[in-house]
Amino acid sequence: QVQLKESGPGLVQPSETLSLTCTVSGFSLTSYSVSWVRQPSGKGPEWMGRMWYDGDTAYNSALKSRLSISRDTSKNQVFLKMNSLQTDDTGTYYCTRDRGVFAYWGQGTLVTVSS
Amino acid sequence: DIQMTQSPPSLSASLGDKVTITCQASQNINKYIAWYQQKPGKAPRLLIRYTSTLESGTPSRFSGSGSGRDYSFSISNVESEDIASYYCLQYDNLPRTFGGGTKLELK
Repeated sequence: QVQLKESGPGLVQPSETLSLTCTVSGFSLTSYSVSWVRQPSGKGPEWMGRMWYDGDTAYNSALKSRLSISRDTSKNQVFLKMNSLQTDDTGTYYCTRDRGVFAYWGQGTLVTVSS
Repeated sequence: DIQMTQSPPSLSASLGDKVTITCQASQNINKYIAWYQQKPGKAPRLLIRYTSTLESGTPSRFSGSGSGRDYSFSISNVESEDIASYYCLQYDNLPRTFGGGTKLELK
């Protein structure tokens, strides 16, 4: 069955870089796109960016200068890197299979930006 | 970017009530709206896509309608398991944008 799982550090220092990994199973990254979505506690979700099935990327313009999404198809993994983290980047980060709508989600990983 | 204005931010209902949530897009989104349910500590769950198409497993008491810029989502006969937050998502354009959410509580 389709599964996605996020992994990465739970705590990041301000101004540092966040690195997250999304490991997928049950589908191929060369057939489906994967998006990253984050959600501050108590607030609505925010779409961050997408790794297209063909390897292209798309980013939310609000984050584009700080964000990079890449993948390793041999390992069924999609990566997120975001630099210059601040406290308002604290929240739960999800990866989701993207076919327009987001039908399958990972469990999410809580990232706290704090010194 | 398309803005999704969702209302109300919170809703109090009794079991068996019908409740309605609305989302207004800042431009025509051609019915490309989805509705999600989210419970604390969980990922959002897709309930409805393309305005009114129920996902497999979505109870029939959930429904959606609308066109152009204006969309609505309803729950008829609210049950205790429906207590959650609800979000709309437009997927007509990038960046995908969500509504601000509606928290449904029991009266």
